[in-house]
Amino acid sequence: EDKVVQSPLSLVVHEGDTVTLNCSYEVTNFRSLLWYKQEKKAPTFLFMLTSSGIEKKSGRLSSILDKKELFSILNITATQTGDSAIYLCAVEDWAQKLVFGQGTRLTINP
Amino acid sequence: GAVVSQHPSRVICKSGTSVKIECRSLDFQATTMFWYRQFPKKSLMLMATSNEGSKATYEQGVEKDKFLINHASLTLSTLTVTSAHPEDSSFYICSARDPGRDEQYFGPGTRLTVT
Repeated sequence: EDKVVQSPLSLVVHEGDTVTLNCSYEVTNFRSLLWYKQEKKAPTFLFMLTSSGIEKKSGRLSSILDKKELFSILNITATQTGDSAIYLCAVEDWAQKLVFGQGTRLTINP
Repeated sequence: GAVVSQHPSRVICKSGTSVKIECRSLDFQATTMFWYRQFPKKSLMLMATSNEGSKATYEQGVEKDKFLINHASLTLSTLTVTSAHPEDSSFYICSARDPGRDEQYFGPGTRLTVT
C-alpha cells in the first residue's frame, strides 16, 4: 500500500527561524512528489519534484528530492507569521493519483 | 487566477437529502479529475478518480452508490452525496491536472454540513 509520512506533525518556531519539514514515501509507480501549503481552504501548490538532487527554489522556500532514500525536505528560511499553515506532501503515481501525508502544522510566533 | 472552480463553496443540508457538488476546469480540458475528502485536522484522502465518458474509479472503502460521480464533459465533474448523513459532513475538494503544465490544481473546496 502506498504510504507518505511527514514529520514533524507539528512545529512551533519564532519569526526569523529556519525550518525543515520532512516527507518520506513508499509508492509504486512514482511519478512526482509535490508540496502544498494549506491555510483555510484548499491546498495551494508549492513545488513539484521529479528528479533527485535538483533543488527547487521559490523565494524563502526550497525543496529537494532523494529518490534513492525516498524522501524530500521542504526548507523555509527567515520564517514569517504568514508562513503559518499546514504543509502537505503528496506523491503522484502515473495514474495522476495523489497520496497525501498527514501534514505538518507549522506555527510561526512573532 | 483560479483554474479549477467548485460550487457551492458551502452547503448545509438535512439528513436524508442529496447534495450535488460541481468541479470545473476553467482554462483547460481535463479527461481525469479527482475527488478528495478532508476531515478536520486531517489530511486529504482520495475518494475516487473521475473519468470523462466512463465510470469513476473508487478507492477502497468508498461507497460508489453513496458518492455518485459523473464526468459528462471535459471540463465538468460532479459529486453527488446521496441520502446524506451527519457523518458525511466534511470538506470535499476536487483536483485536475492541466496536461500542458506540471501542476495538479485543486478547487477551492466545498464544506458540507449535514444536520
